[in-house]
Amino acid sequence: DTAVSQTPKYLVTQMGNDKSIKCEQNLGHDTMYWYKQDSKKFLKIMFSYNNKELIINETVPNRFSPKSPDKAHLNLHINSLELGDSAVYFCASSPGGTSGGIQYFGAGTRLSVL
Amino acid sequence: AQSVSQHNHHVILSEAASLELGCNYSYGGTVNLFWYVQYPGQHLQLLLKYFSGDPLVKGIKGFEAEFIKSKFSFNLRKPSVQWSDTAEYFCAVKMTTDSWGKFQFGAGTQVVVTP
Repeated sequence: DTAVSQTPKYLVTQMGNDKSIKCEQNLGHDTMYWYKQDSKKFLKIMFSYNNKELIINETVPNRFSPKSPDKAHLNLHINSLELGDSAVYFCASSPGGTSGGIQYFGAGTRLSVL
Repeated sequence: AQSVSQHNHHVILSEAASLELGCNYSYGGTVNLFWYVQYPGQHLQLLLKYFSGDPLVKGIKGFEAEFIKSKFSFNLRKPSVQWSDTAEYFCAVKMTTDSWGKFQFGAGTQVVVTP
């Protein structure tokens, strides 16, 4: 079983569209994250949820809205897609707390905005 | 500002050569340190981690890293690389006081191993 699974793996869409990326983890972790990896491979955290509660919200446009229906799921909805949103989006999860919290990553969603 | 810097953006070396990738951070408190690897087209996987204790930590696939507190460094090493080590390598730092696990990643180092 895949520990952190993201769907879809590839997403090609037109500017101005609205799209969602889903993430599910079966590790029983309390904390989930969304990262954006740009074309230069730079990884930047966007959001983090702990037990369905938003705890990290970096400087991300309002067009990006995370939703966590339960602690095993963290979805990312993007409104009015722009060319600059093209990137690979990674979901991750960790046990959280001060124990160290290794993060486990999903396979990524490659978003291409045309 | 807190930051993580990786010294090399691109490294090209031959099989059997030794590899060392530098990582420095600028956090003032106690940290947890990680190296992740991203093989072409794949997700990030944990190579090794340092939480406390012996500053020399061993990870998977023959990698090791040394935490030098006085230098704020956590360099990754492998004595003899293989073609399959071609990947992007990321250093990451998390403050131990941060309950929510906010990682700061370095910019990554692309390693290409030629046959």
